[in-house]
Amino acid sequence: RKEVEQDPGPFNVPEGATVAFNCTYSNSASQSFFWYRQDCRKEPKLLMSVYSSGNEDGRFTAQLNRASQYISLLIRDSKLSDSATYLCVVRVSSASKIIFGSGTRLSIRP
Amino acid sequence: DAGVIQSPRHEVTEMGQEVTLRCKPISGHNSLFWYRQTMMRGLELLIYFNNNVPIDDSGMPEDRFSAKMPNASFSTLKIQPSEPRDSAVYFCASSTAGGALYNEQFFGPGTRLTVL
Repeated sequence: RKEVEQDPGPFNVPEGATVAFNCTYSNSASQSFFWYRQDCRKEPKLLMSVYSSGNEDGRFTAQLNRASQYISLLIRDSKLSDSATYLCVVRVSSASKIIFGSGTRLSIRP
Repeated sequence: DAGVIQSPRHEVTEMGQEVTLRCKPISGHNSLFWYRQTMMRGLELLIYFNNNVPIDDSGMPEDRFSAKMPNASFSTLKIQPSEPRDSAVYFCASSTAGGALYNEQFFGPGTRLTVL
């Protein structure tokens, strides 16, 4: 089983729609969680960190469910510019390496 | 700040040749990471350094790969000899002190390596 698993997609949704994807992780001792965004042929960039209580940044909401070992990303009122690959990232501790999921491709159509 | 700088941006070489990828982290960052990304395997961490010291190189695929960080502003990833299966995009990333849980990693633009 992979340490971090994501549905590869692609998710193809119309502009304005709400879309959500999950990511599961295998190590219950994991302590920090992130969503990174990667545009085609570009480098990954941090979208948002995911905190235990859940957090929101504009149209983006991230949730953490420790009991079920998954994190989620919700995008409301999706824009064409949201089209990208979203990478789930998990870190067990400050001394350990970061594990990237293989990414979920999102395509927003007009 | 110019961000993380990588060179070259593209490299095409023949099997058996030595390849050297270069990275300049963001000034003041003391953690540096080398990643490899392919369609099949996604983004894989190869090695990371804290304060120029290699901390975890368990991701380095085999002895043909080596990485150095002679000072805080420069790192290299070398492949010798290169093989076609090494073709990938190689990213360098840096962050501030590795002791915090939520440090953001800043990625360079990557080096697209093709080994013929």
